Amino acid sequence: EAGVVQSPRYKIIEKKQPVAFWCNPISGHNTLYWYLQNLGQGPELLIRYENEEAVDDSQLPKDRFSAERLKGVDSTLKIQPAELGDSAVYLCASSLGYVRTSEDNEQFFGPGTRLTVL
Amino acid sequence: AQSVTQLDSQVPVFEEAPVELRCNYSSSVSVYLFWYVQYPNQGLQLLLKYLSGSTLVKGINGFEAEFNKSQTSFHLRKPSVHISDTAEYFCAVTVGTSYGKLTFGQGTILTVHP
Repeated sequence: EAGVVQSPRYKIIEKKQPVAFWCNPISGHNTLYWYLQNLGQGPELLIRYENEEAVDDSQLPKDRFSAERLKGVDSTLKIQPAELGDSAVYLCASSLGYVRTSEDNEQFFGPGTRLTVL
Repeated sequence: AQSVTQLDSQVPVFEEAPVELRCNYSSSVSVYLFWYVQYPNQGLQLLLKYLSGSTLVKGINGFEAEFNKSQTSFHLRKPSVHISDTAEYFCAVTVGTSYGKLTFGQGTILTVHP
């Protein structure tokens, strides 16, 4: 069974340019998460989706970041315009979530997209 | 709100030696606890989790952890490490009503020397 797929794996852009990351969760997983991982830090939640609804986006910097999960499957995270401080790894994770038991909330992580802003 | 503190940012150890990676959490409600491992340029992989029941939890790759409610700790242990255990380890917590919102510690880099 395929895990969480993310692309691209690496991205280098100049500041003020836009960038987008794509995530395909594990088939059948209703909950999708985007995390930001700065160098030397643990991941921090940016946004959580239940199907196509963003149920927790309190940590998403909405002035430059946006996300969508059309049809409740794949998701895209966008930054426009990118700043130097956005250089980090962006992780996507998914979980069954729908039944909301502890087991169903186990999160499976993708390999991440490493963004470098010059 | 919950928080996680990993007490050691780096832990060097020789191959076949035992290791303990320390994790403390704070929360006013019941918690679920996790340890994840991250190899270079890879995503996080779940090592083990505590949801309920026995406080001693066994995971993959010979790791185990013990939940200590009175000390609010969830330390990770392995009796004999291998070179391949070199990686970064993250402790994480979620509370019962947050349905999967994980709060991570800052990570501990385990380096196993030959």
